[in-house]
Amino acid sequence: DTGVSQDPRHKITKRGQNVTFRCDPISEHNRLYWYRQTLGQGPEFLTYFQNEAQLEKSRLLSDRFSAERPKGSFSTLEIQRTEQGDSAMYLCASSPPTGRDSYNEQFFGPGTRLTVL
Amino acid sequence: QQQVKQSPQSLIVQKGGISIINCAYENTAFDYFPWYQQFPGKGPALLIAIRPDVSEKKEGRFTISFNKSAKQFSLHIMDSQPGDSATYFCAASMRNQGGKLIFGQGTELSVKP
Repeated sequence: DTGVSQDPRHKITKRGQNVTFRCDPISEHNRLYWYRQTLGQGPEFLTYFQNEAQLEKSRLLSDRFSAERPKGSFSTLEIQRTEQGDSAMYLCASSPPTGRDSYNEQFFGPGTRLTVL
Repeated sequence: QQQVKQSPQSLIVQKGGISIINCAYENTAFDYFPWYQQFPGKGPALLIAIRPDVSEKKEGRFTISFNKSAKQFSLHIMDSQPGDSATYFCAASMRNQGGKLIFGQGTELSVKP
């Protein structure tokens, strides 16, 4: 399977615990995006990387959230001191390099569903 | 100004009918408008996309109509099938802002046999 993969697919944790999710993008995709989706809503942008550089962070990304993409390949998203409001589907997407006349098509992984008890 | 508004919230169509989902945006700097299809428990899958210099794009049974002056675009699904039952999201992005997608609220489509 050459699509975007995410691990784990499901995570149940207790309030106050730390969790880490991993995303493996499509090979040679230089951009990687994290989104959060709550039930009945569209995905909301959290942050994105171009290669290893984190270029933008949404105001939704509180200081309890941190994301890395150490070698420009896979990425991790860590949530510290989880709260019940963090319960959501965390989606990762990747896109290939874009030329002057192209637009970045984003391809999504299956997501990690987080439940905070 | 960053919002994308989508309607209807839910839609029921008979098999073989036409499904139409509409989206409206405010920011004229948006330059890419994709539609995604999402099944329960899965990530969104890119269906079809359009740029603002084109008024219509067709791929198989799926057509995007784009009205730049009205700042609206719509997805038409011809000959709708039960397998099309899913949630559909419109989105918009700007290339000079890293291409992050701003999504609509979603439309839950149910195609009855």
